[in-house]
Amino acid sequence: GENVEQHPSTLSVQEGDSAVIKCTYSDSASNYFPWYKQELGKGPQLIIDIRSNVGEKKDQRIAVTLNKTAKHFSLHITETQPEDSAVYFCAASGGESDKLIFGTGTRLQVFP
Amino acid sequence: EPEVTQTPSHQVTQMGQEVILRCVPISNHLYFYWYRQILGQKVEFLVSFYNNEISEKSEIFDDQFSVERPDGSNFTLKIRSTKLEDSAMYFCASSSDRGYGEQFFGPGTRLTVL
Repeated sequence: GENVEQHPSTLSVQEGDSAVIKCTYSDSASNYFPWYKQELGKGPQLIIDIRSNVGEKKDQRIAVTLNKTAKHFSLHITETQPEDSAVYFCAASGGESDKLIFGTGTRLQVFP
Repeated sequence: EPEVTQTPSHQVTQMGQEVILRCVPISNHLYFYWYRQILGQKVEFLVSFYNNEISEKSEIFDDQFSVERPDGSNFTLKIRSTKLEDSAMYFCASSSDRGYGEQFFGPGTRLTVL
């Protein structure tokens, strides 16, 4: 079945450094790849997404890249701040289904 | 900014009891979803709903589960006879478009089955 792998499971960085989270997906029909940020006790919040017709998308300090051939996509956060600390989930959907298949999550800690 | 709301925020129930989790999706959205997240695990798809019928459901969504849009604003998830393993966070999401549409999540209902 469809599967999304996510690495690393935890990531600790110093404030101001960059953070990179990587995901791979198994379903070649996937064509929509959102990233969600989940803070403690809250629901997932969409922070950026990318569709299969583009290879990269940037929004201020956040960027996402997609390699459809290799079936992987990555989240890049530059100039990290303590408020970036949260759990980040990648997801994929596409083909006949619009359900989101989530990765296992990455707990990002940004130390001041 | 419009948002998805869910009630209650926390529900505690005894095993075998029925629970109804409620959601108010964003008003102009047409596609509705339920997901769940067992503590410390990833978010899992349960069911999608469009035009007053289920579009897709996962293996988790067995006969104990049902969904309903009883009026123009609410979207509910019912678990008929809760089991211990139903304890999880349940998230409602809505979207204005299928497929490429962004899914906006509510804050969740924490269900605890004793």
